[in-house]
Amino acid sequence: DGGITQSPKYLFRKEGQNVTLSCEQNLNHDAMYWYRQDPGQGLRLIYYSQIVNDFQKGDIAEGYSVSREKKESFPLTVTSAQKNPTAFYLCASSISGQGDLDEQFFGPGTRLTVL
Amino acid sequence: QQQVKQSPQSLIVQKGGISIINCAYENTAFDYFPWYQQFPGKGPALLIAIRPDVSEKKEGRFTISFNKSAKQFSLHIMDSQPGDSATYFCAALETSGSRLTFGEGTQLTVNP
Repeated sequence: DGGITQSPKYLFRKEGQNVTLSCEQNLNHDAMYWYRQDPGQGLRLIYYSQIVNDFQKGDIAEGYSVSREKKESFPLTVTSAQKNPTAFYLCASSISGQGDLDEQFFGPGTRLTVL
Repeated sequence: QQQVKQSPQSLIVQKGGISIINCAYENTAFDYFPWYQQFPGKGPALLIAIRPDVSEKKEGRFTISFNKSAKQFSLHIMDSQPGDSATYFCAALETSGSRLTFGEGTQLTVNP
């Protein structure tokens, strides 16, 4: 089965702890994205990567970090610097990251709750 | 700064009715407008999309209407069904770039 997997589905952490969310894709896509979803605010872009070993900040990158060491993997770390980390996090991928034919495919999401 | 404004935030429709969700944008460089459908606990999935060189696109019961001069576009769901109950997001893209800008989302409930 081709697709995007995110793990875990639910994650609980204590305030002040860093946490890493996993995103893996076997679609052979070059581009990968991380979004944060909050009620009433839609999806906001955290980071994106169009090629291995390169990534760019999105609109709300503060308090987050990413790496792209492999084409199929794009983990997101939520650091203790993120002031309000409780949210639903969505990973997506697309073939190239360019143009309107480049549909983004989303994973099932990880719901992070910081206690 | 929200570049794509979506309304209403929630919508309740009876089975068989028409659901209408509206979006407005400011950035005239946007030139691709997709709509995504998201079921609870799942990631969004592309539903239908339009380029600004056409005023309407229809796929089955789903239609996008586009008004370039007003910088507005809308999703119409004809003969709405309970299975259409989901959250719908409009989005916009500058095709010279790579970043989608999403609206705030509309939670649609279709009552049987």
